[in-house]
Amino acid sequence: KQEVTQIPAALSVPEGENLVLNCSFTDSAIYNLQWFRQDPGKGLTSLLLIQSSQREQTSGRLNASLDKSSGRSTLYIAASQPGDSATYLCAVWDGGATNKLIFGTGTLLAVQP
Amino acid sequence: NAGVTQTPKFRVLKTGQSMTLLCAQDMNHEYMYWYRQDPGMGLRLIHYSVGEGTTAKGEVPDGYNVSRLKKQNFLLGLESAAPSQTSVYFCASIYDGNTEAFFGQGTRLTVV
Repeated sequence: KQEVTQIPAALSVPEGENLVLNCSFTDSAIYNLQWFRQDPGKGLTSLLLIQSSQREQTSGRLNASLDKSSGRSTLYIAASQPGDSATYLCAVWDGGATNKLIFGTGTLLAVQP
Repeated sequence: NAGVTQTPKFRVLKTGQSMTLLCAQDMNHEYMYWYRQDPGMGLRLIHYSVGEGTTAKGEVPDGYNVSRLKKQNFLLGLESAAPSQTSVYFCASIYDGNTEAFFGQGTRLTVV
């Protein structure tokens, strides 16, 4: 059974800091991994999608890496801003095995002005 | 292009009542998922579908049923609601493994 863990559960940083969020998964047989952002009371918005054959993806100040063999992904946020405050979730999709999309429990990020 | 639409957005049920949540997507996506989100527990997969006419159990399927009679719609049913089913329910859809998942805005359900 695939299990996805995110550490830390909560993080508070001052504005301008660079930060790293972690995601680990127990079964390396994944098809892709996604990072999402969730604002309070809202749905999820996809930030980055990394295929199993890729090592990283970048979008603006965000960079996500994937090490499938070790079951780990990181989301790097550069020069954090108060508008980055949200819950960040990672999810793995195992493709043709079961086609399940399994989520971690998320990291609640607060960026202090 | 509406994306993924969930109805209703809010609902209060009495214990033992039944209801159906509707998830509709207009992106011709094959895969659709129902989750519940509870504080501190992330999103837990209830049921999912890999195409029209198919359904499969997720991690927490007990007390729920689903149907996908049309490709664009995925219905989640509660036959006899219990207070433990108080939660926020999210629907998601994916076209294929090379594309991102899209989410609805959620349904906040309270069972009293």
